[in-house]
Amino acid sequence: KQEVTQIPAALSVPEGENLVLNCSFTDSAIYNLQWFRQDPGKGLTSLLLIQSSQREQTSGRLNASLDKSSGRSTLYIAASQPGDSATYLCAGLETSGSRLTFGEGTQLTVNP
Amino acid sequence: DAGITQSPRHKVTETGTPVTLRCHQTENHRYMYWYRQDPGHGLRLIHYSYGVKDTDKGEVSDGYSVSRSKTEDFLLTLESATSSQTSVYFCATGSQVDTQYFGPGTRLTVL
Repeated sequence: KQEVTQIPAALSVPEGENLVLNCSFTDSAIYNLQWFRQDPGKGLTSLLLIQSSQREQTSGRLNASLDKSSGRSTLYIAASQPGDSATYLCAGLETSGSRLTFGEGTQLTVNP
Repeated sequence: DAGITQSPRHKVTETGTPVTLRCHQTENHRYMYWYRQDPGHGLRLIHYSYGVKDTDKGEVSDGYSVSRSKTEDFLLTLESATSSQTSVYFCATGSQVDTQYFGPGTRLTVL
């Protein structure tokens, strides 16, 4: 059974800092790895999707990497802003394509 | 948000009563999912659908049933609600199996 772990559970940084969020998974047989953002009281918004054959994806100030052999993914946020404050979740899609397994998320606070 | 609405958005009910949550989408997506989100457990898949009348169980399906009679609607039913089913329920949809868009959630409290 796939297990996804995110460390740290919470992170507080000053505005402008670059930061890295970590995600680890136990089963390397994943179809893809996805990063989501969740604002309080809201649903999830997809940020980046990395296919199993890819090593990284970039969108604006966000860069996500995937290392299947070590069971790790990272989300790099450059020049953080207060508007980046949210919970970030990673999820692995199993190879059958029918099930996303989520981590519990990292709650990020960016202080002005 | 891919045109996903959930109703109701909030509900308080009593133990033993039946509850139905509705997910409605306007994007004609083939795939639809129901998740629950709980502290300490993250999001867990309850049931999903890969077409009209085609559904399958997820990780935590006990005590839940689903129906999908139209492409746009996916219903989640708690036949007899229990306090352990107090949670936030999210619907998600996708046109492909590897992409999911989430609704705003339904907060359910079972007393």
